[in-house]
Amino acid sequence: GAVVSQHPSWVICKSGTSVKIECRSLDFQATTMFWYRQFPKQSLMLMATSNEGSKATYEQGVEKDKFLINHASLTLSTLTVTSAHPEDSSFYICSARETGVVENEQFFGPGTRLTVL
Amino acid sequence: AQKVTQAQTEISVVEKEDVTLDCVYETRDTTYYLFWYKQPPSGELVFLIRRNSFDEQNEISGRYSWNFQKSTSSFNFTITASQVVDSAVYFCALSGLNFGNEKLTFGTGTRLTIIP
Repeated sequence: GAVVSQHPSWVICKSGTSVKIECRSLDFQATTMFWYRQFPKQSLMLMATSNEGSKATYEQGVEKDKFLINHASLTLSTLTVTSAHPEDSSFYICSARETGVVENEQFFGPGTRLTVL
Repeated sequence: AQKVTQAQTEISVVEKEDVTLDCVYETRDTTYYLFWYKQPPSGELVFLIRRNSFDEQNEISGRYSWNFQKSTSSFNFTITASQVVDSAVYFCALSGLNFGNEKLTFGTGTRLTIIP
């Protein structure tokens, strides 16, 4: 149990286009999901916290108009990178926290590798 | 503010040697969680352990063991009799305990290479 999927696993796009990444909790409900970004050989940096039915909370320095997050259901959160540029190329990882579980157990997706040409 | 420091950027050891990965953390919270994750070349994070700040008992799981020292704000990870499959980047992380304070702060990671 406790599986989180991400789609696509990798994507290559042209500069200026928008890319949508999906994060799904497959066998549990997740009121809260988190989006992280990892540049090559660096650590994971939290971009935003996504709560079902409400606006996402962005970390300092993350442009909310560029990284649109939608968490419309208890099993799906999406991250849209708008007008992507080469500097947005990165590994994007989501995690999901199971609704109603007291302990902070987050299940991570396999990640999406974005390359912007 | 929370901070996690993994001072060892890269470590290489010969197979079957023991290796310890260091983790030092800073937090103003009186209660918190500490984690270790493994990230193999595929990129997917593998959960290894979560430790509640209330529980300072050391833990052993097979070849893995963890030493939590609240007095020195450290949560070190030891692999005994290392194997090539242990080669990966290992991240230590910290979060708050309560709802709304559960975001993870990661250390910079330690790249472990096990030489056959």
